Amino acid sequence: AQSVTQLGSHVSVSEGALVLLRCNYSSSVPPYLFWYVQYPNQGLQLLLKYTTGATLVKGINGFEAEFKKSETSFHLTKPSAHMSDAAEYFCALYNFNKFYFGSGTKLNVKP
Amino acid sequence: SAVISQKPSRDICQRGTSLTIQCQVDSQVTMMFWYRQQPGQSLTLIATANQGSEATYESGFVIDKFPISRPNLTFSTLTVSNMSPEDSSIYLCSVGGRGGAPSSYNEQFFGPGTRLTVL
Repeated sequence: AQSVTQLGSHVSVSEGALVLLRCNYSSSVPPYLFWYVQYPNQGLQLLLKYTTGATLVKGINGFEAEFKKSETSFHLTKPSAHMSDAAEYFCALYNFNKFYFGSGTKLNVKP
Repeated sequence: SAVISQKPSRDICQRGTSLTIQCQVDSQVTMMFWYRQQPGQSLTLIATANQGSEATYESGFVIDKFPISRPNLTFSTLTVSNMSPEDSSIYLCSVGGRGGAPSSYNEQFFGPGTRLTVL
C-alpha cells in the first residue's frame, strides 16, 4: 500500500532559523517523491521532486530534500527561514499513475 | 510549465443544487485529475479523466455525484451534484502528460482551485 505521513501538522520557526518538515512514506515499489507548497488561496506549487539518481534534491526558494531509502523518509529543509516561506507544505508520493498526499504541514515563521 | 485556470474561483451554493467547475489548460495534456481538499485536510483524488475514455473514480466517489467531462486535450469539467454542506471544499484540477505523453509525474501542475461553500 502507498501512503505518506507528515509529522507535525503545524511547525513554527523564527525567521533565519532552520526549517525541517518531516515526511515518511510507504511504497511497494521505488517511489517518486515530491514536495508541494500551497500559499493561502492558491493552488499547489511544486517545490522539488525525487525520481531517480542523486538522493539530495534541490528545489526552488532554497529548499532541499534528501531521499533516505533505509529510513523511508524524504524530509524537507531550508537553512534559513524567511517570512515568505509561511505556507502549507505537502509531501506526495507518485506510483501507478496516482499521487498520494500527506496531510500537510503548516509552517509559521515568526519575526 | 502548464498554465491552468479554473472557473469559478469560488461560489456559495444552496443545498440540493449542482455546480459545474471548469478546468482549462494552455497546452494539450493526456491526463487530468480532480481533487478535493476539505477544510484543514489534504488532497483526496476524486477521479482521473483521460480524453477519449470514461473517467476513473476513486473509492468513495461516484459518477452520479461527480460527473466529469473531458471533451478534448485542454479542457475538463467536474460537476458537484445535489450538493450538501459536506461538499464544501476546495476542488482542484491538475494535469499531467503534456503533448499527449502519458507520463504524468514529470509534468504535474495544479490549478488555483475552486472554493465551494454549500449552505
